[in-house]
Amino acid sequence: GQNIDQPTEMTATEGAIVQINCTYQTSGFNGLFWYQQHAGEAPTFLSYNVLDGLEEKGRFSSFLSRSKGYSYLLLKELQMKDSASYLCASSDSNYQLIWGAGTKLIIKP
Amino acid sequence: IAGITQAPTSQILAAGRRMTLRCTQDMRHNAMYWYRQDLGLGLRLIHYSNTAGTTGKGEVPDGYSVSRANTDDFPLTLASAVPSQTSVYFCASSSNLGGGNEQFFGPGTRLTVL
Repeated sequence: GQNIDQPTEMTATEGAIVQINCTYQTSGFNGLFWYQQHAGEAPTFLSYNVLDGLEEKGRFSSFLSRSKGYSYLLLKELQMKDSASYLCASSDSNYQLIWGAGTKLIIKP
Repeated sequence: IAGITQAPTSQILAAGRRMTLRCTQDMRHNAMYWYRQDLGLGLRLIHYSNTAGTTGKGEVPDGYSVSRANTDDFPLTLASAVPSQTSVYFCASSSNLGGGNEQFFGPGTRLTVL
């Protein structure tokens, strides 16, 4: 079957670093997306990984290990505005996205 | 219009009524999607369209229909609404289906079926 797992909720401190993990089982895997969703708003794109390794984009980085079916999103220098849900989604053999339930990140001062 | 819009923003609907959720994009994207988002669950794909004139079924298509008469519009119709269709509905688009094509989301429609 196809499945995405990520933690339901995480808490971190302003200025710190947090890593949000995602494991997936996807038929015909075609890449892994991360989206950010603030409460009551639409998801917005953060990153896409299709090859193994780390992709860095400012304060956000995303990592993929295809052999392990594992990805993480790394957020550095956390700011209060980073409080949001972070959605992991894998692309299957039909290029449809299979979405995780999201990780709600709470940032404390 | 800039990006992707949805209407209405929210709606309360009596069970058994017919309802069409509207979605319009001005980015000339070929691919469009309808998702529903429920608490504790990931986004679930209802229907999608690779290009104008074609549509396909997603993970949860029952009770919903779509059409894609042109590039810009992708309406979602609930023929006879039921309470289990209470959800937040997001329309999205991408330049094409597949690869690392980013999906752009509309602001969502919050639908309550009583």
